[in-house]
Amino acid sequence: DAMVIQNPRYQVTQFGKPVTLSCSQTLNHNVMYWYQQKSSQAPKLLFHYYDKDFNNEADTPDNFQSRRPNTSFCFLDIRSPGLGDAAMYLCATRGDRGGGTGNEQFFGPGTRLTVL
Amino acid sequence: AQSVTQLGSHVSVSEGALVLLRCNYSSSVPPYLFWYVQYPNQGLQLLLKYTSAATLVKGINGFEAEFKKSETSFHLTKPSAHMSDAAEYFCAVSDQSFNKFYFGSGTKLNVKP
Repeated sequence: DAMVIQNPRYQVTQFGKPVTLSCSQTLNHNVMYWYQQKSSQAPKLLFHYYDKDFNNEADTPDNFQSRRPNTSFCFLDIRSPGLGDAAMYLCATRGDRGGGTGNEQFFGPGTRLTVL
Repeated sequence: AQSVTQLGSHVSVSEGALVLLRCNYSSSVPPYLFWYVQYPNQGLQLLLKYTSAATLVKGINGFEAEFKKSETSFHLTKPSAHMSDAAEYFCAVSDQSFNKFYFGSGTKLNVKP
């Protein structure tokens, strides 16, 4: 089945130690998103790629970076994780086909990040 | 600017009872509205969406929602709750680009036997 895969599902890192979360998709979607979801809160958009074009949200901290080496993969790099960065990180994809079609996001299962 | 408000962070119903989860939106452009369900430690799954076609939208698992422009609402309903419906539900709004989605704070649904 076509899907969005996130690895690892659970990640533990130390305060200040860089960490990378990965997302891959077999849907061949051109748009990929990263969300941060803290406990009992709404998912918050960090950034998205439209094809190769990177779009950062204005309030996303500089500590968060992203890479998309090809259509299938997207990475979230947290350069110096703080305790406040502990959260679930959700990757989503969307296949934009123009004209208002392809308006549905498909989510991965998420990676839960713990910062010690 | 677009935003979504979900009234009631927790809703509890008995099995077999009506489920009503409330969502009100704010949008300066015609909105596109979505309901997602999230089970513990899982990603979000789309239940249904409104994209300017029929105002009454039917989704998966027996859920439906009605877009009411005059009330700026998109409430989610299900006639008869099932134990498996216990989860967290998020309402979201997007503009016509669909490049940004804004989520409400979520409503946790508890279903009592």
